Amino acid sequence: KAGVTQTPRYLIKTRGQQVTLSCSPISGHRSVSWYQQTPGQGLQFLFEYFSETQRNKGNFPGRFSGRQFSNSRSEMNVSTLELGDSALYLCASSLGDGVGEKLFFGSGTQLSVL
Amino acid sequence: KQEVTQIPAALSVPEGENLVLNCSFTDSAIYNLQWFRQDPGKGLTSLLLIQSSQREQTSGRLNASLDKSSGRSTLYIAASQPGDSATYLCAVNGYNFNKFYFGSGTKLNVKP
Repeated sequence: KAGVTQTPRYLIKTRGQQVTLSCSPISGHRSVSWYQQTPGQGLQFLFEYFSETQRNKGNFPGRFSGRQFSNSRSEMNVSTLELGDSALYLCASSLGDGVGEKLFFGSGTQLSVL
Repeated sequence: KQEVTQIPAALSVPEGENLVLNCSFTDSAIYNLQWFRQDPGKGLTSLLLIQSSQREQTSGRLNASLDKSSGRSTLYIAASQPGDSATYLCAVNGYNFNKFYFGSGTKLNVKP
């Protein structure tokens, strides 16, 4: 069974640009969560999608948004990039029909903002 | 807001030693707690998930304990091996679907 796939693996952008990251969950998983990982703040929850609906949101500005498609694939978008957005962005999938499920993570997208 | 702390931040041990990693959380109203392993440049791998009603969970050489009332969990690794070298993170869930609060991790180095 294929794992969680994130693309691209690396991205370099400049301030003010926007970026879209993609996540394909494990087949049969309907929940996709996104996390930001930085050396200073650690792992922070961005949002969770289930059945194309956002059902959970972290404490990030509105520049961070996401969506989920009918096949459970998810994208997250960051507009008007700032230097502080440089981070490893991780997505995790789970079955989605419960609470506090076992999470399966992708390898992440390393975003560098110059 | 839930705060999760892991001590120590880094640990170096010789191969074969038994070791304990610590995790504490400020709000005891958790649904469950999950321990993860992260290798450099990689995503996280779930090692153990322990429900709030459980005291312990075991998988191979790993044993996780949970004391919900005191806001603490430990991960015990028996007979450590160089392949155990990685960063170990704990995360708690507060009855909010799959939103987890993570600690900053303990970086473990097992020397041959």
